[in-house]
Amino acid sequence: KAGVTQTPRYLIKTRGQQVTLSCSPISGHRSVSWYQQTPGQGLQFLFEYFSETQRNKGNFPGRFSGRQFSNSRSEMNVSTLELGDSALYLCASSRRSVGQGVSEQYFGPGTRLTVT
Amino acid sequence: AQTVTQSQPEMSVQEAETVTLSCTYDTSENNYYLFWYKQPPSRQMILVIRQEAYKQQNATENRFSVNFQKAAKSFSLKISDSQLGDTAMYFCAFIFPSSNTGKLIFGQGTTLQVKP
Repeated sequence: KAGVTQTPRYLIKTRGQQVTLSCSPISGHRSVSWYQQTPGQGLQFLFEYFSETQRNKGNFPGRFSGRQFSNSRSEMNVSTLELGDSALYLCASSRRSVGQGVSEQYFGPGTRLTVT
Repeated sequence: AQTVTQSQPEMSVQEAETVTLSCTYDTSENNYYLFWYKQPPSRQMILVIRQEAYKQQNATENRFSVNFQKAAKSFSLKISDSQLGDTAMYFCAFIFPSSNTGKLIFGQGTTLQVKP
């Protein structure tokens, strides 16, 4: 079974631009969570999508948004990029059924975003 | 507050020896899952081992085992017969299925170097 895939793997953007990152979960997984990883803050939860709905959001400004499609693929968007948005963005997929919570998550290789 | 603490920022071990990584956590919840993830230099986050809080038996996966002490809120990882490929950053994390969110709470990580 194929793992979680993320595209692109690397991005360089200029401050003020916007960026869209994509995540395809493991086949059969309906939940996708996004995390930001930086040396200073560690791993921080951005949001989770399940059945095309955002289920929870971390403590990030509104410039960070996402969506999920009917095939469970997810995208996250960051508008008006700031230097501090430079990070590794990880997505993780998991099995989840309606009315049940998430157990283990499987991660993609990440997208390294550099904002200059 | 739900937190995870890894008190050892860096550790090293000789190849073929055994090493134990420490993790403590804080929660008032009774139902949760605990995980150890490995992040090698490639940055791919890999699930190493999982423990359900309701299970008294410690989880094992080949050379990896945990010592789960629920009352003490401690969850250490033991790596036996260390191999060069075990060199990575290790993260302790937990999740609460009952919270109905896909949010993993991570510790700050322990960098493990296996020396030849």
